Amino acid sequence: LAKTTQPISMDSYEGQEVNITCSHNNIATNDYITWYQQFPSQGPRFIIQGYKTKVTNEVASLFIPADRKSSTLSLPRVSLSDTAVYYCLVGDHLYNQGGKLIFGQGTELSVKP
Amino acid sequence: DAGVIQSPRHEVTEMGQEVTLRCKPISGHNSLFWYRQTMMRGLELLIYFNNNVPIDDSGMPEDRFSAKMPNASFSTLKIQPSEPRDSAVYFCASGAGTSGRGGLRSYNEQFFGPGTRLTVL
Repeated sequence: LAKTTQPISMDSYEGQEVNITCSHNNIATNDYITWYQQFPSQGPRFIIQGYKTKVTNEVASLFIPADRKSSTLSLPRVSLSDTAVYYCLVGDHLYNQGGKLIFGQGTELSVKP
Repeated sequence: DAGVIQSPRHEVTEMGQEVTLRCKPISGHNSLFWYRQTMMRGLELLIYFNNNVPIDDSGMPEDRFSAKMPNASFSTLKIQPSEPRDSAVYFCASGAGTSGRGGLRSYNEQFFGPGTRLTVL
């Protein structure tokens, strides 16, 4: 399983764009990059998933360079409600891992007014 | 859709007692996962089922823990006897699975329940 490294914590202010970078030097050819978000006292929630280049949805964007050894989750114009822990996961979750998700320590994002 | 349902939401028990946590996955999902979260160890996968069959229980900490999935709509995680170090938030998650696209396999998004906060005194 590819190991991921991400900052333990980040601070931001409302209205700013937040970029959280995850390193995954040992990513395999069939691996996808997935981000989950966890609010206090709730279970994690899927945010976005990508394989290469850029993926965008209504919540975030995911930037993946050509070598795929890292990825950046971008949250546009954060609000206080975006305060949460963000997890970066890498793997061929469905087939090679049987659907297993291996969560790292995550990045605790604190958004201030 | 009510999402993944877990009960109870909170459980306080004394050391040595049996604890049973319950989970109802999202209808139509064929995978079910039990996780445990603590400050010290983060979020750990305990066991998961595919089509009601246990696939991987390597994360179950010891024999005091057992999990069952008698049908597609119900699963239990039992701790007997419970110990203070079992205190944690236990999450159940379910997933539908997806088919491959363009030769690349797709990811199985998991939907988490609200969790059961267990305190063993």
